Amino acid sequence: KQEVTQIPAALSVPEGENLVLNCSFTDSAIYNLQWFRQDPGKGLTSLLLIQSSQREQTSGRLNASLDKSSGRSTLYIAASQPGDSATYLCAVSPDSNYQLIWGAGTKLIIKP
Amino acid sequence: GAGVSQTPSNKVTEKGKYVELRCDPISGHTALYWYRQSLGQGPEFLIYFQGTGAADDSGLPNDRFFAVRPEGSVSTLKIQRTERGDSAVYLCASSLGDGRTTDTQYFGPGTRLTVL
Repeated sequence: KQEVTQIPAALSVPEGENLVLNCSFTDSAIYNLQWFRQDPGKGLTSLLLIQSSQREQTSGRLNASLDKSSGRSTLYIAASQPGDSATYLCAVSPDSNYQLIWGAGTKLIIKP
Repeated sequence: GAGVSQTPSNKVTEKGKYVELRCDPISGHTALYWYRQSLGQGPEFLIYFQGTGAADDSGLPNDRFFAVRPEGSVSTLKIQRTERGDSAVYLCASSLGDGRTTDTQYFGPGTRLTVL
């Protein structure tokens, strides 16, 4: 059974710092991996999607990497801003279906 | 354009009652998903529709939970004989459903269900 773990559960850093969020999964047979952002009362927003054949994806200050063989993904946020404060979740899609299996998230606070 | 909408945003009910939660997906999206998220946890998959049919309902916890999508657009999640353990945020998402590996799911704001 696929399990997704995110460490740390919470992180607080000063504005301007670069930071890394971690995601690990137990079964390397995944279709793709996504990073989402969750803001209170506003649902989930997809940030980056990495297909199983890819190693990384970039969008603005965000870079996500994927190492399927070791069951790990990282989300790198450069030059953090207070507006980046949110909960970040990773989710994997198992082979052959669109079901997403989620980590519990990392709650990020960027201090001005 | 309009995103995924869910109604009501909050629902408080008593144990044993019946509730319906509604999801309006993005127009043209053939795939629709329901998830449940408990406090401090990631979402838990419940059911996936492709068009009008439930393509995967393996996440429904028991037969008290049922979902429909009769016209391939709006979906309703129905919970019978609610229990306190059903309290959670129920999330709906939709996607194009075109079979591409980059088929992104777009989420609604969720319905917070509280069973007293």
